[in-house]
Amino acid sequence: NAGVTQTPKFQVLKTGQSMTLQCAQDMNHNSMYWYRQDPGMGLRLIYYSASEGTTDKGEVPNGYNVSRLNKREFSLRLESAAPSQTSVYFCASRRDTLSDTQYFGPGTRLTVL
Amino acid sequence: QQQVKQSPQSLIVQKGGIPIINCAYENTAFDYFPWYQQFPGKGPALLIAIRPDVSEKKEGRFTISFNKSAKQFSLHIMDSQPGDSATYFCAASMDSGGSNYKLTFGKGTLLTVNP
Repeated sequence: NAGVTQTPKFQVLKTGQSMTLQCAQDMNHNSMYWYRQDPGMGLRLIYYSASEGTTDKGEVPNGYNVSRLNKREFSLRLESAAPSQTSVYFCASRRDTLSDTQYFGPGTRLTVL
Repeated sequence: QQQVKQSPQSLIVQKGGIPIINCAYENTAFDYFPWYQQFPGKGPALLIAIRPDVSEKKEGRFTISFNKSAKQFSLHIMDSQPGDSATYFCAASMDSGGSNYKLTFGKGTLLTVNP
């Protein structure tokens, strides 16, 4: 099992450009999450998907959109990147309501110039 | 509004010491309190977790102490080793076991264990 995988690992964008961060899990988990991590700020939830076909906003959703493509994949889209979106982005998954453990991917380091 | 406050921001101990990281929360609806460990360049990984019906949980060298009345919980690392050097995050959630379960994280503590 690869667990939670994220692509790309690194990305540099110019202000106004768009891009999609990809996340996939091979653990047959129901719930998936997107976080951003900034120095001194901990991890903040952007969006989550409790199950295939549903998505909900987290703490910091502005400037982002998500798609739960199927049970395995949960993508995060920046339509018009801004320097304030420079961050490390983590995807996570959780099996189901019987388990509260979230499993994190390795992260995508995004720089917006 | 920060719902989980973590301290200290950074901590340096000698090998064999017992670092203690503290967290305080405000929302009494929280019902699950995990600690995550993150090494540089990696994603966080669950270290240990506790629910409010117990006051202490131990797994190996790691112990969580939980004080429900004070709304505080802490992580103790016994006999700390240089390999424990990492960033530690406390977190809290409500709707544990439910479909709307999501974690609120503290800001993290960078622990350095010197040889």
